[in-house]
Amino acid sequence: KQEVTQIPAALSVPEGENLVLNCSFTDSAIYNLQWFRQDPGKGLTSLLLIQSSQREQTSGRLNASLDKSSGRSTLYIAASQPGDSATYLCAVRRELKRGSTLGRLYFGRGTQLTVWP
Amino acid sequence: DTEVTQTPKHLVMGMTNKKSLKCEQHMGHRAMYWYKQKAKKPPELMFVYSYEKLSINESVPSRFSPECPNSSLLNLHLHALQPEDSALYLCASSHPRVKQGAQSNYGYTFGSGTRLTVV
Repeated sequence: KQEVTQIPAALSVPEGENLVLNCSFTDSAIYNLQWFRQDPGKGLTSLLLIQSSQREQTSGRLNASLDKSSGRSTLYIAASQPGDSATYLCAVRRELKRGSTLGRLYFGRGTQLTVWP
Repeated sequence: DTEVTQTPKHLVMGMTNKKSLKCEQHMGHRAMYWYKQKAKKPPELMFVYSYEKLSINESVPSRFSPECPNSSLLNLHLHALQPEDSALYLCASSHPRVKQGAQSNYGYTFGSGTRLTVV
C-alpha cells in the first residue's frame, strides 16, 4: 500500500523567507505527483503537477521537484508572503487496482504553513 | 471551463432528512470522485466513477448513495445520516487513464466542497 509522508507537519515563518516542504512516498510506481493548497474549510487548489517522467515543474514563486527512484518530492516557495498561509497537500497518483490504468490519489497529511508579516 | 462546481456550499440536515450534493464539470473528464474530509485530516476516497459507471466503493455505508446521471454530473444522495458524518465533502474529476511519460495534464481538479453538518 502506498504511504505518503509530509514533513514538517506545521511551519511558521516571517514574510520573505524561502521555504522547502517535503513529501516522501513508499512505492515508486506512480503516474504523477500533485501538490495542492487548501485554505481552511475550502476545497483543494492544484498548484503543480509533475509527471513520473519529469524532474521538476515551476509556476511563479513555486518550484516542485520529483525524485521517483528515492520516493521524494519537494515544494520550494520563494519569498513567502502572508497570502501563502494555508495547508499544502502532496498526493501521488497510482493505479486503482493491480493491472489497471485507472488511478487513485494517495494523500499525505499536509504541512500547515503560516507566514506572518 | 476548468472548474468543478459543487452545490450547495453549506448544508445542515437532521438525521431523518434526505438531501443531495451535486457536482458538475465540463472539462471532458470521464472519471469523477467523491471524497470526505474531516478537520485536519487528508481527504478520504469514498467513490470513483469511470465512464459513468461505479468503479470503486470504499466500503461506504449505504446511507450514502452516489449517482452519475451523465459524464458531467455526479450526485451524492444522503439519507439517515449520523452526526459523525459531518465533514467537508469534496468532488473531483480527472482523465480516467494516464499514459506513462505523457505530457498531457492528467491531474485532478477538485471542487470547493460542501460543508455538511448533521444535527
